[in-house]
Amino acid sequence: AQKVTQAQTEISVVEKEDVTLDCVYETRDTTYYLFWYKQPPSGELVFLIRRNSFDEQNEISGRYSWNFQKSTSSFNFTITASQVVDSAVYFCALSEALSSGTYKYIFGTGTRLKVLA
Amino acid sequence: EAQVTQNPRYLITVTGKKLTVTCSQNMNHEYMSWYRQDPGLGLRQIYYSMNVEVTDKGDVPEGYKVSRKEKRNFPLILESPSPNQTSLYFCASRPGQGPLNYGYTFGSGTRLTVV
Repeated sequence: AQKVTQAQTEISVVEKEDVTLDCVYETRDTTYYLFWYKQPPSGELVFLIRRNSFDEQNEISGRYSWNFQKSTSSFNFTITASQVVDSAVYFCALSEALSSGTYKYIFGTGTRLKVLA
Repeated sequence: EAQVTQNPRYLITVTGKKLTVTCSQNMNHEYMSWYRQDPGLGLRQIYYSMNVEVTDKGDVPEGYKVSRKEKRNFPLILESPSPNQTSLYFCASRPGQGPLNYGYTFGSGTRLTVV
């Protein structure tokens, strides 16, 4: 069965430290998509990135970077020089193809990141 | 502004009293979905809709109903709420069925408490 595992329930770091959030997935699909979402204390869910299974290039966006490794079924997220505003719950998600022709997203249980001033 | 609007943000109700959480999107998205978020369980899909009048069950549909009479609206109905439906609910939409259509746009969430 498709599955997303975020083994780190909660991480605390001091401001300016680098931090990596792990995401490991299981899928039977040959084509799939991976996502990261951020949920700040205000509660809304913010889309951060989408990556397809054919593109293993790492991606960098400012202080955020993503490392996709198909060989280990991982899609890890690194925040460089963390800031207090990065404090949030971060969710990793995986697309799953359904027999109906549509796709559903499977979310991990989330990692709560606390950045201390 | 492109957005998904859900109301109310907070709701406290009593067991058995029917309620509806509304969801509306202004992006002409075909695909809409309801999720519930519970501690330690992440987000689980309740129902989804691929288009007008097309809905299907997600992973945890028991105790919920939905309808999709218009493209923009996808209300979540709890006919007889129970305390185990106390949760944070999110409505989400995306342009179409395939994963090529980027990520979801989520509503701001509805925190429901059933006493």
